[in-house]
Amino acid sequence: GESVGLHLPTLSVQEGDNSIINCAYSNSASDYFIWYKQESGKGPQFIIDIRSNMDKRQGQRVTVLLNKTVKHLSLQIAATQPGDSAVYFCADCSNRDDKIIFGKGTRLHILP
Amino acid sequence: DTEVTQTPKHLVMGMTNKKSLKCEQHMGHRAMYWYKQKAKKPPELMFVYSYEKLSINESVPSRFSPECPNSSLLNLHLHALQPEDSALYLCASSQVENRGPGDEQFFGPGTRLTVL
Repeated sequence: GESVGLHLPTLSVQEGDNSIINCAYSNSASDYFIWYKQESGKGPQFIIDIRSNMDKRQGQRVTVLLNKTVKHLSLQIAATQPGDSAVYFCADCSNRDDKIIFGKGTRLHILP
Repeated sequence: DTEVTQTPKHLVMGMTNKKSLKCEQHMGHRAMYWYKQKAKKPPELMFVYSYEKLSINESVPSRFSPECPNSSLLNLHLHALQPEDSALYLCASSQVENRGPGDEQFFGPGTRLTVL
């Protein structure tokens, strides 16, 4: 069935280093994905999205890569800062039943 | 205004109480959502309202009763809840129901509910 999963539940990264958070999906028809950031005590916030006609999209310090061949996407955060500490969810937003399918989430922990 | 607001931030209630959660947005969005989020889990969809009409109910128990009084407001009425209903309840809105690019959902900060 449909699933969106993450490879690692927790990622610890040194401040200033780059972070890479991975996500796998199973539905080859999926064509739109969003990465959300959820800080403690807050709701998920949109970070960046990507459509299936692209394989890379860049924002401010963030890049999303989409590999449709292996049904995998990743979120790269450059020069990780303490404010990047959060849980990151990938979400398949292409489902025609009007539902978002969230991945399990990865907690990003920044080491000083 | 690009915010979704939710009140209260925290709520503690007994199993016999009746309470309501409120959500408001002034972005002109016509789709609004309720999610339940348990600790260390992703949000789970409960209800979707589209143009003030209930369009999706994810088999949610009747002790949760949603209401959409107008296009800016969404309520969740709670009655006879169980301790396992304790969770973060998130409201979200989007321009229309989730249909891909340009229609991402904006989330509120949530209401932390504890049922004793």
